[in-house]
Amino acid sequence: EVQLLESGGGLVQPGGSLRLSCVASGFTFSSHAMRWVRQAPGKGLEWVSAINPSGGGTYYTDSVKGRFSISRDNSKNTLYLQMNSLRAEDTAIYYCAKVYQYGMDVWGQGTTVTVSS
Amino acid sequence: QTVVTQEPSFSVSPGGTVTLTCGLSSGSVSISYYPSWYQQTPGQAPRTLIYSTNTRSSGVPDRFSGSILGNKAALTITGAQADDESHYYCVLYMGSGISVFGGGTKLTVL
Repeated sequence: EVQLLESGGGLVQPGGSLRLSCVASGFTFSSHAMRWVRQAPGKGLEWVSAINPSGGGTYYTDSVKGRFSISRDNSKNTLYLQMNSLRAEDTAIYYCAKVYQYGMDVWGQGTTVTVSS
Repeated sequence: QTVVTQEPSFSVSPGGTVTLTCGLSSGSVSISYYPSWYQQTPGQAPRTLIYSTNTRSSGVPDRFSGSILGNKAALTITGAQADDESHYYCVLYMGSGISVFGGGTKLTVL
């Protein structure tokens, strides 16, 4: 079964850091680009970041550039999102998703990040 | 800043047909944007319906179809059912690794 499992969310103070992980199973992880998507409370979905299969190409939405870093360890079938200088507006459920034909065909269940003092 | 536009809300009668659209604040949507569509009910992760304009994801019934209509991407639901009542999001691929979500459409079946 194709599956993505996120972890690492939690409560963090403004200015703090968190690292999210997404463990993939059931498919050849190293062959697929991956994305992080978030959803703030009561809001719509927002694309956050993407990484190509090798990890050599990384992409970010403007609001997280310079603060977030996406990476992957293909030997561990794991995707990461390092989040620094967190702000209240980063509070959201964070989903990882597998890319297929420029869309996303598999989603994790999400991990919740709350930035609050 | 590119904005992807969707109707904020739509309603359809049970058994009816509805077409939701996905446009650009400036310009036309074409297959080159690889439009994709996702369904989300409250408290759940998104579910992929359509990718690459008109390819249904595994397990998605053929009541759901994707297309380009005029200058927009479109998601058509035929024979609407009560459990189609959800939020629907489109995504356009802008190139250079960047994707943009639309604001979503809340579909009511009544």
